[in-house]
Amino acid sequence: GAGVSQTPSNKVTEKGKYVELRCDPISGHTALYWYRQSLGQGPEFLIYFQGTGAADDSGLPNDRFFAVRPEGSVSTLKIQRTERGDSAVYLCASSTDRWDSGANVLTFGAGSRLTVL
Amino acid sequence: KQEVTQIPAALSVPEGENLVLNCSFTDSAIYNLQWFRQDPGKGLTSLLLIQSSQREQTSGRLNASLDKSSGRSTLYIAASQPGDSATYLCAVPTGTASKLTFGTGTRLQVTL
Repeated sequence: GAGVSQTPSNKVTEKGKYVELRCDPISGHTALYWYRQSLGQGPEFLIYFQGTGAADDSGLPNDRFFAVRPEGSVSTLKIQRTERGDSAVYLCASSTDRWDSGANVLTFGAGSRLTVL
Repeated sequence: KQEVTQIPAALSVPEGENLVLNCSFTDSAIYNLQWFRQDPGKGLTSLLLIQSSQREQTSGRLNASLDKSSGRSTLYIAASQPGDSATYLCAVPTGTASKLTFGTGTRLQVTL
């Protein structure tokens, strides 16, 4: 596609529910990233995929968070037993190159705003 | 642990003014530094990417400089316009460098 597409744009759920957030990266981008942005803060890294594999998941806050990218394109971020503290904007980004190519310019999606009541 | 700080947190200027946004980072062993723009309810748009070997990058009215040794970068916006109103974030690669560490941003408002 022309840009990084994220769905849903807004999600309101109740505490304890399960949530899935979807990211459709730019076609051909092998690298995909998930970030979380709380109000008034900069984005915080969650997980990075190179192809189908999670190359770095060190930013996932706990085992309630999980992400997959089974075919190396679309990715789904899954949050189990949601808590009010999970409320944030979840941003997805993709890029063509690994960071060490020196051209790691990320293209971000508009984000999925999650509100946990 | 890399920490990125942006000053000021918010800035309001009249149209036409030149302005400077500041970004500082604690670990100078970075490969590059990026400046992003974020509009309300939108994702981030990459403005400029400065490689560690470069001292500055220019795009239109924007000029970003990088001083690794002092852990600082500045974003200079010339002849500001109301359309420049947005939050500006700087970010540096951290650790494996697949992850970016962002500052908290500077919220800029350009008034008529």
